[in-house]
Amino acid sequence: NAGVTQTPKFRILKIGQSMTLQCTQDMNHNYMYWYRQDPGMGLKLIYYSVGAGITDKGEVPNGYNVSRSTTEDFPLRLELAAPSQTSVYFCASRPYTFSGNTIYFGEGSWLTVV
Amino acid sequence: DQQVKQNSPSLSVQEGRISILNCDYTNSMFDYFLWYKKYPAEGPTFLISISSIKDKNEDGRFTVFLNKSAKHLSLHIVPSQPGDSAVYFCAADSGGSNYKLTFGKGTLLTVNP
Repeated sequence: NAGVTQTPKFRILKIGQSMTLQCTQDMNHNYMYWYRQDPGMGLKLIYYSVGAGITDKGEVPNGYNVSRSTTEDFPLRLELAAPSQTSVYFCASRPYTFSGNTIYFGEGSWLTVV
Repeated sequence: DQQVKQNSPSLSVQEGRISILNCDYTNSMFDYFLWYKKYPAEGPTFLISISSIKDKNEDGRFTVFLNKSAKHLSLHIVPSQPGDSAVYFCAADSGGSNYKLTFGKGTLLTVNP
């Protein structure tokens, strides 16, 4: 029972490089989310998706792109990495019917931009 | 513009005593509130929630209280255990179909044996 799987867990990027954080869920959830957590801060929503082919911006989308070609996968793309993108990234998913205990988070991806 | 505020960055309590974590919110449209627990190097896990139509919800050692007029909620843990030591996030949702949660900054709870 994998749940929400994120890769990589740790990554160091140089300024200006690009990379993709992968997120896969095996629960057939419609909704998927990407959050970032900066030190001492709460989680902030970057992008979300309500289903395959549909994505929308969250609170802090600048510098990121997403796609949702399948129900299972929701990759987050960082273009031209900047030090301000150093953070912990969490992917989450939930089914169509909302209930607090059915929002599942991945274990996080630690990204450092130097 | 922080819509969900957890004003205590940290809290330390003795094992067996009560832990009270507080959360304030400013958005009157929030109608569902959740508490998440997070251990280091792990993702947040759901702990307990409460709808705005209630003022209390219990689940074992955990109770959440909601005071809508004061826009305040609190999480009570009784009795506190060392395994409860973690960061606790308050989150709120304003309904609609996308259920985007707004999180507070978190409170680090340390339960001392």
